[in-house]
Amino acid sequence: QSVLTQPPSVSAAPGQKVTISCSGSSSNIGNNYVSWYQQLPGAAPKLLIYDNNKRPSGIPDRFSGSKSGRSATLGITGLQTGDEADYYCGTWDSSLSAGQVVFGGGTKVTVL
Amino acid sequence: QVQLQESGPGLVKPSETLSLTCAVSGYSISSGYYWGWIRQPPGKGLEWIGTMYHSGSTYYNPSLKSRVTMSVDTSKNYFSLKLSSVTAADTAVYYCARQVNGYNSNIDYWGQGTLVTVSS
Repeated sequence: QSVLTQPPSVSAAPGQKVTISCSGSSSNIGNNYVSWYQQLPGAAPKLLIYDNNKRPSGIPDRFSGSKSGRSATLGITGLQTGDEADYYCGTWDSSLSAGQVVFGGGTKVTVL
Repeated sequence: QVQLQESGPGLVKPSETLSLTCAVSGYSISSGYYWGWIRQPPGKGLEWIGTMYHSGSTYYNPSLKSRVTMSVDTSKNYFSLKLSSVTAADTAVYYCARQVNGYNSNIDYWGQGTLVTVSS
């Protein structure tokens, strides 16, 4: 059971847009930055979005992030077959005295 | 370009200690950032194990804290993970990674991952 909740899967046709939601609580998303990761089949995760909406160098602007309250959203526009992957949200959770990084359960993106 | 490479046994017996090392190239660990571990059981999601600074300060997943030890060797530019009393539930791909800071989930560089199976 993941601390952050994501839909198991989303799908769309090439060129279309998908959004992936990530919901949490005041101890995590509500008071901390959110990151998003893309994991292609058989590969390590790759940082897509950090600090809610910033893209690392080399990440195309087809990928965007936003946060509102206790939820965050990843958007992918102009969907390509190469975007088929698992996507994870992550954030810091301070509900326990020590705190920890927590991830969502992951969302599989399928390009129809 | 920062690169991380995990190494260690691919098979560990139940109740024994899992030991992995991560060699870092392209960046000096003693220059900053946090260095840590994330694991992923086969077919499942990501689980953060913990992270540490080169000076020795650590942050561990509370659910694993009693079994986890992390250390860093700045002279050889690598860091290590030890997980004691392993069970089949610890079977996973283990990734070493660079974390931007200790209170943030920005993990900007990852190793390729190494599968560790716990079995007798």
